Amino acid sequence: GAVVSQHPSRVICKSGTSVKIECRSLDFQATTMFWYRQFPKKSLMLMATSNEGSKATYEQGVEKDKFLINHASLTLSTLTVTSAHPEDSSFYICSARDRMRGRETQYFGPGTRLLVL
Amino acid sequence: AQTVTQSQPEMSVQEAETVTLSCTYDTSESDYYLFWYKQPPSRQMILVIRQEAYKQQNATENRFSVNFQKAAKSFSLKISDSQLGDAAMYFCAYRRGGATNKLIFGTGTLLAVQP
Repeated sequence: GAVVSQHPSRVICKSGTSVKIECRSLDFQATTMFWYRQFPKKSLMLMATSNEGSKATYEQGVEKDKFLINHASLTLSTLTVTSAHPEDSSFYICSARDRMRGRETQYFGPGTRLLVL
Repeated sequence: AQTVTQSQPEMSVQEAETVTLSCTYDTSESDYYLFWYKQPPSRQMILVIRQEAYKQQNATENRFSVNFQKAAKSFSLKISDSQLGDAAMYFCAYRRGGATNKLIFGTGTLLAVQP
């Protein structure tokens, strides 16, 4: 149980294009999902908190117009990197909290590696 | 602001031996949770163990146990009978109690297991 999937697992795009990453909770409902960014050999940096049916809460320094987050259902949140640039290349990870199992534990997706050329 | 500190960037242990990873945190809250996550080369984050601050008893999960020293704000992870599959980056994390509070991660400790 408590499986979170991400799609795609890897994406390469040209500079200036937009890329959408999906995060799904497969066997539970998640009212809250989180989006992280991780640079090589570094820790996870929280980008935003996504709440189902409402606007995402962005961390300081994260551009909300560049990283669009939509959490339209209890099992799906999407992160769209708009007008991607090479500096957006990174590893993006989502996590979800199981509303029924307990609010204390987050379950992580396998991550999406983005490379912007 | 809450912070999590892992002072050991890298650690090494012999297979079958025991290793302890250190973590300290700073908070003024009384209701919070502490976690250890493992990130193997696949980069999938895996929950290793969780500790509720209100519980005095140290959490244990098979070969993994913690030494939770609330007054000292210390939360170390002990791995017993280390296995090759334990090799990974280990992150200590803190979360304040409440509905949507976020995880705050330490900088991680890279654990190597020598055969």
